[in-house]
Amino acid sequence: DAGITQSPRHKVTETGTPVTLRCHQTENHRYMYWYRQDPGHGLRLIHYSYGVKDTDKGEVSDGYSVSRSKTEDFLLTLESATSSQTSVYFCASGAEIYEQYFGPGTRLTVT
Amino acid sequence: KNEVEQSPQNLTAQEGEFITINCSYSVGISALHWLQQHPGGGIVSLFMLSSGKKKHGRLIATINIQEKHSSLHITASHPRDSAVYICAAPLSTGNQFYFGTGTSLTVIP
Repeated sequence: DAGITQSPRHKVTETGTPVTLRCHQTENHRYMYWYRQDPGHGLRLIHYSYGVKDTDKGEVSDGYSVSRSKTEDFLLTLESATSSQTSVYFCASGAEIYEQYFGPGTRLTVT
Repeated sequence: KNEVEQSPQNLTAQEGEFITINCSYSVGISALHWLQQHPGGGIVSLFMLSSGKKKHGRLIATINIQEKHSSLHITASHPRDSAVYICAAPLSTGNQFYFGTGTSLTVIP
């Protein structure tokens, strides 16, 4: 399995506060992705990156921003958390554009 | 309409049974993923295939690009196969993945 970690693994935060989730991979993968998983919706792409400082929006990017200043780290920021952003967040990475190695997930609750 | 549809949504089988999960997609893709997610657990990529068939142990995945359909088969099912199975279709442009909502499989001893 690819070495992909996410931090924190669990977080409870209040509405209106900023939150940053971190994805770290040790595989020197070029491509990294952030997804959210919700019951009835499956996995949905938030943002993705195809290299350092190269990012683009996915299907559900509103309210989220990302940064990738190093190959190994991909940060997801909720600028002002809302209850609708309560979800499980997964990051993934891959050396090739269609590869997907997933991290363990972060469970975020916005109260 | 979802770009990726899976069936069935839920499946219960007796240990030893042959299991088939289906995935149909409407987008143009170059490859399709089958993923496995155990309860409370992470997501593991089982297969990525662009044509024909792939086999890994008791798992077999097939794809028909022309018919936009893929199947995941599990032979001699075991309780440890109980998980959610998800198909994922990356667009040909590679900048978007579409996921099915998953098939929840329970294998009873």
